[in-house]
Amino acid sequence: DTGVSQNPRHKITKRGQNVTFRCDPISEHNRLYWYRQTLGQGPEFLTYFQNEAQLEKSRLLSDRFSAERPKGSFSTLEIQRTEQGDSAMYLCASSLALVGDTQYFGPGTRLTVL
Amino acid sequence: GQQLNQSPQSMFIQEGEDVSMNCTSSSIFNTWLWYKQDPGEGPVLLIALYKAGELTSNGRLTAQFGITRKDSFLNISASIPSDVGIYFCAGQLSGTYKYIFGTGTRLKVLA
Repeated sequence: DTGVSQNPRHKITKRGQNVTFRCDPISEHNRLYWYRQTLGQGPEFLTYFQNEAQLEKSRLLSDRFSAERPKGSFSTLEIQRTEQGDSAMYLCASSLALVGDTQYFGPGTRLTVL
Repeated sequence: GQQLNQSPQSMFIQEGEDVSMNCTSSSIFNTWLWYKQDPGEGPVLLIALYKAGELTSNGRLTAQFGITRKDSFLNISASIPSDVGIYFCAGQLSGTYKYIFGTGTRLKVLA
């Protein structure tokens, strides 16, 4: 059983460019979460999918951010027209909603916007 | 963004000492999770708690789900140098799927 994987691990981009991150959850996990973490802070919730349906979005997720989970497997998070304030670690987690809702995290994608 | 109160913020301890940290909130939670995070990596799950009053151990780690469902604590017994890292609590808000994380406890163990 492989864990949650995220690609790329690191991304450096120039302000104004678009970036896309991918998350592959643990197989058979039906729930998938995206979080953002800035230096010295805990992860902050961005959005949540159950299968392919996006059920909850944070107000942190501006209209420049979009997330998808086609077919309920992997997910992508796209940031359009990146700003320096978007620099952060983007974390993905997955869970299987049976007993409790225990989330397992991937290694994260570190985004640096120059 | 919303974060839980977690204390202490940081601590230096001697190897072999016990450590306690806790998270508190005014909100009610369905689930409490405790994670450890090393620099540049994702959080690694340590303990999951699902019921008010539940006390769960994982090796030298023990965590409890507060009876009021508004708090949780984590104890580490007989600390060792590899316990160094940042520990986060995460609570799942009642009635939602959303998890709120604590501000983190930075642990440094002196050999």
